[in-house]
Amino acid sequence: AQTVTQSQPEMSVQEAETVTLSCTYDTSENNYYLFWYKQPPSRQMILVIRQEAYKQQNATENRFSVNFQKAAKSFSLKISDSQLGDTAMYFCAFMKPNQMAAGNKLTFGGGTRVLVKP
Amino acid sequence: GAGVSQSPSNKVTEKGKDVELRCDPISGHTALYWYRQSLGQGLEFLIYFQGNSAPDKSGLPSDRFSAERTGGSVSTLTIQRTQQEDSAVYLCASSSLAYNYNEQFFGPGTRLTVL
Repeated sequence: AQTVTQSQPEMSVQEAETVTLSCTYDTSENNYYLFWYKQPPSRQMILVIRQEAYKQQNATENRFSVNFQKAAKSFSLKISDSQLGDTAMYFCAFMKPNQMAAGNKLTFGGGTRVLVKP
Repeated sequence: GAGVSQSPSNKVTEKGKDVELRCDPISGHTALYWYRQSLGQGLEFLIYFQGNSAPDKSGLPSDRFSAERTGGSVSTLTIQRTQQEDSAVYLCASSSLAYNYNEQFFGPGTRLTVL
C-alpha cells in the first residue's frame, strides 16, 4: 500500500514571499502520478499541479512549481510570490494508474495549512 | 459547465439514525469516487464506481456504509445507524475517460455531524 506524509502541519508566509511545502511518499510502483491539491475554507478541493513519475522535468503552473525527486520519493511544492488567496490547506496525493482508463483512488497526505500574511 | 455538486451541504443527525448523502458528477464522467475527511483519519478513500463495472468498495469502514450509483450518474452514500465517529466531511469526485492522468474533480462536500 502507498503512504503519503506531509511533515509540516502549518506554515505561514508573508505576502509576495516564497514558501515550500514538503511531501514524501512510499511506494513500490515505478509508474504513478503525484498531485498537489488546495482546499480553501469553502472545502472545494482544487488541483494545483500534477507530476507524472516517468517525467524527469519538474512541473510548473504559474507561481506553483514542484521539486520531484523520484529516488528520494520526495515531492515538494513551492509557492512563489504568495498571495492572500493562497491561504488554504494543501494536500499532497498519490495515484497509481490502473489499466482502466478512467482512474483510480487517490492516497492523500495529512495536509499542510498555509497562512499568507499581509 | 457545471461542476460536481453535493447535497446537503451540511447534515446534523442523531446517533443511530440513517443518513443519505447525494452526489451529482460532471455530466459525461464515467468514474465517481467518495472520500471521507475527518480530523482523526485525514482524507481517506471510501468507494469508486466506474461505468457498469462492480464498484471498488475496499475503503468502506464498516457494513453500515453503502453506496449506489443509478443510471451511471447520480450516486448516494448511505450510512446506517450513524455513530459519532462518522462525523466528517464527505467528498465526492468524478473523472473522465478523456484524461490520461485521470484528474478528479471534487464537489464541495457534505459536512455530517452526528450528535
